[in-house]
Amino acid sequence: DQQVKQNSPSLSVQEGRISILNCDYTNSMFDYFLWYKKYPAEGPTFLISISSIKDKNEDGRFTVFLNKSAKHLSLHIVPSQPGDSAVYFCAASDMGTGKSTFGDGTTLTVKP
Amino acid sequence: NAGVMQNPRHLVRRRGQEARLRCSPVKGHSHVYWYRQLPEEGLKFMVYLQKENIIDESGMPKERFSAEFPKEGPSILRIQQVVRGDSAAYFCASSPRTGATYEQYFGPGTRLTVT
Repeated sequence: DQQVKQNSPSLSVQEGRISILNCDYTNSMFDYFLWYKKYPAEGPTFLISISSIKDKNEDGRFTVFLNKSAKHLSLHIVPSQPGDSAVYFCAASDMGTGKSTFGDGTTLTVKP
Repeated sequence: NAGVMQNPRHLVRRRGQEARLRCSPVKGHSHVYWYRQLPEEGLKFMVYLQKENIIDESGMPKERFSAEFPKEGPSILRIQQVVRGDSAAYFCASSPRTGATYEQYFGPGTRLTVT
């Protein structure tokens, strides 16, 4: 039973366009959500997060949207750059347990 | 200002041997998490530790796997009698406090290959 799902294994966009990565979750106890970026042969690095009391958080080119009723969040990257090419993991946390549950990741390729 | 350190970066073991993976968290972080990433899959939670305590080991196989985070020294993930299915990347992460309001800082991972 996968509690956090990233249904698109891969996404390809043109440089300068918007990248939209999606994530769905099933556990209503999750109250904090994070996106991580991972390059090959490296560990994931934190990108942006959002609390369940908000529906949007923006940091430069990165914006995360949360739709609690739909149990859905998305990461928007605009404009996309070739250096954004990486695997993006969505993670959901429950403050009560202190651990994060990760999706399987989406590989983003930004073409010059 | 060192981040999370993991060693070794690569580890090759024959079936039946023991594997010891080490993780030094960010200085001042007292919460450590271990994850496993199998080829073509995402990160799977294994265990969550605080200093000298295992908080949640629900993701760790019941046999052959153990983890510790002593008062002094790094956190250790130990795999006894390794099998080929243990071949994976093992990532350690640390955070300054429990709960979801702080992100986790990941190490570069240890790639275990069982031959």
